[in-house]
Amino acid sequence: NAGVMQNPRHLVRRRGQEARLRCSPMKGHSHVYWYRQLPEEGLKFMVYLQKENIIDESGMPKERFSAEFPKEGPSILRIQQVVRGDSAAYFCASSPGQDNEQFFGPGTRLTVL
Amino acid sequence: KQEVTQIPAALSVPEGENLVLNCSFTDSAIYNLQWFRQDPGKGLTSLLLIQSSQREQTSGRLNASLDKSSGRSTLYIAASQPGDSATYLCAVEGNNNDMRFGAGTRLTVKP
Repeated sequence: NAGVMQNPRHLVRRRGQEARLRCSPMKGHSHVYWYRQLPEEGLKFMVYLQKENIIDESGMPKERFSAEFPKEGPSILRIQQVVRGDSAAYFCASSPGQDNEQFFGPGTRLTVL
Repeated sequence: KQEVTQIPAALSVPEGENLVLNCSFTDSAIYNLQWFRQDPGKGLTSLLLIQSSQREQTSGRLNASLDKSSGRSTLYIAASQPGDSATYLCAVEGNNNDMRFGAGTRLTVKP
């Protein structure tokens, strides 16, 4: 059973470009969480999704950020018109249910030049 | 602002020894606490999850306790093995879904 997969592992973008981060949950997991870890800070919750539904997006910046978890395929975190402050490690976690353990992927490190 | 501290930062023990890793947090209003294992070049592996209403969880040779009022958790590893060598992270999830990690304890188990 493969763990949570994230790709790419490293992503470099210039200011103004778009960044797309992918997360494939563990088999049988229908709940996906995205977290962001800024340099020198702890992990911060961004958004919680179930298949085709956003359950909680209270941690998402109001603009430029969006997330989806379609019926088929991975969950996507999309950042439009990236700025240097978006440089961070973005972690995805999955679980079989809301109150179950979350299993984390290796993260995607985004660098905005 | 929640702060999570792990002691010791590094620990080296001979194989077979029982050991305890410590985690403390400043804000007792937590949703849950998790212990993770991190191996070099890999993502985090969740070991044990303790809900705020629970006092301990056990999985195999691992036992984690939670004392919310004093802001402490311990991870007990029995009969340590070289394969247990890794960095162990404690993470506290607040009621606002923020997850705060400690800096980790780097464990080395010598054969």
